[in-house]
Amino acid sequence: AQSVSQHNHHVILSEAASLELGCNYSYGGTVNLFWYVQYPGQHLQLLLKYFSGDPLVKGIKGFEAEFIKSKFSFNLRKPSVQWSDTAEYFCAVMPLVSGTYKYIFGTGTRLKVLA
Amino acid sequence: NAGVTQTPKFRVLKTGQSMTLLCAQDMNHEYMYWYRQDPGMGLRLIHYSVGEGTTAKGEVPDGYNVSRLKKQNFLLGLESAAPSQTSVYFCASSYGGPGPNEQYFGPGTRLTVT
Repeated sequence: AQSVSQHNHHVILSEAASLELGCNYSYGGTVNLFWYVQYPGQHLQLLLKYFSGDPLVKGIKGFEAEFIKSKFSFNLRKPSVQWSDTAEYFCAVMPLVSGTYKYIFGTGTRLKVLA
Repeated sequence: NAGVTQTPKFRVLKTGQSMTLLCAQDMNHEYMYWYRQDPGMGLRLIHYSVGEGTTAKGEVPDGYNVSRLKKQNFLLGLESAAPSQTSVYFCASSYGGPGPNEQYFGPGTRLTVT
């Protein structure tokens, strides 16, 4: 079965530290890839997405992610986190199977940034 | 544009009661989805719809039914609520055409079944 793994469940960082959150998926075909963020008490919002082309994609708020096809990975990075980045981060994969648009979400990584 | 809205925001049910959650989107999206979010389990797909009048089962469909009578609305029903259905429910929509179909999420419904 297709799945998405986020190995870091909880991450605590100090402000200005660098962030990298891992995301691996299990599907051998073509995929669209997404990172969503959920701030406390809010709904999910799109951070960035990958469809095709340059495997390094930039999103909002200084986030970026790199698609490494050979590793089935789409890791999220930010060079310097801020207190306001405290949130839960979800990786999502949409396998491109004809006629379906189903998304598979990882279990999430809860990030806490200490001021 | 309101985007994706959900009604109600909170609800407490007794075991065995029924209820319907309403999701509405004003973006003319073809695809709509219902997820439940539980601690440590991420989002799990309950049911989804690829167009008006169509529905399909997701990962965890048991105990839920859905209907998509109008393109802009997607209803999630619980016929006989159980404590295991205590969760936060999110509706999402996407336009369904070529390209990276990002999902737009509603604010969620927090349901407690006692």
